[in-house]
Amino acid sequence: NAGVTQTPKFQVLKTGQSMTLQCAQDMNHEYMSWYRQDPGMGLRLIHYSVGAGITDQGEVPNGYNVSRSTTEDFPLRLLSAAPSQTSVYFCASNTKRGTDTQYFGPGTRLTVL
Amino acid sequence: DAKTTQPPSMDCAEGRAANLPCNHSTISGNEYVYWYRQIHSQGPQYIIHGLKNNETNEMASLIITEDRKSSTLILPHATLRDTAVYYCIVRVLNNFNKFYFGSGTKLNVKP
Repeated sequence: NAGVTQTPKFQVLKTGQSMTLQCAQDMNHEYMSWYRQDPGMGLRLIHYSVGAGITDQGEVPNGYNVSRSTTEDFPLRLLSAAPSQTSVYFCASNTKRGTDTQYFGPGTRLTVL
Repeated sequence: DAKTTQPPSMDCAEGRAANLPCNHSTISGNEYVYWYRQIHSQGPQYIIHGLKNNETNEMASLIITEDRKSSTLILPHATLRDTAVYYCIVRVLNNFNKFYFGSGTKLNVKP
């Protein structure tokens, strides 16, 4: 199993550009989430999904869109990048059964100029 | 979900036990205590979780007080590779997907 994979690892955008951060998991987990982590801070939840076709907002959803057309994939779209979105983005997945442990991807480091 | 309070940083000598405290005084009866850690800039890694009994696995032990208002994560023999930020999180099992991470405790293991 590859676990949770994220692409790209690094990205530089100009203000106003749009882009999609990719996240995929091969563990057949129902739940997937996106977090951002600003320097020296903990993780904050952006959006999450409890299954294909179902998404909801987290703590800091503004400026981001998500969709979940398959169990495996959960892309995060930045509609019009702003410098305030400079951060490290982590995707996570977990099953709704058992211990509910989250598995995190390696992260995408995004800089918006 | 209940919020947690952790010291911002702690030091520990290599080979000694590291005891990381967490206060969760508003925890509800159905909320679990989870511990994760983040080494440098990697994705957080699950360590252990529990409801009311003490728990132990190959990585650590979790001690939860009888009133469940606080807990301690114990790394029995800390190594330099255990230097990381440790997060204590409380949540209801299977309650959507809302893991609320605070700022955590930066554990510095020194030789």
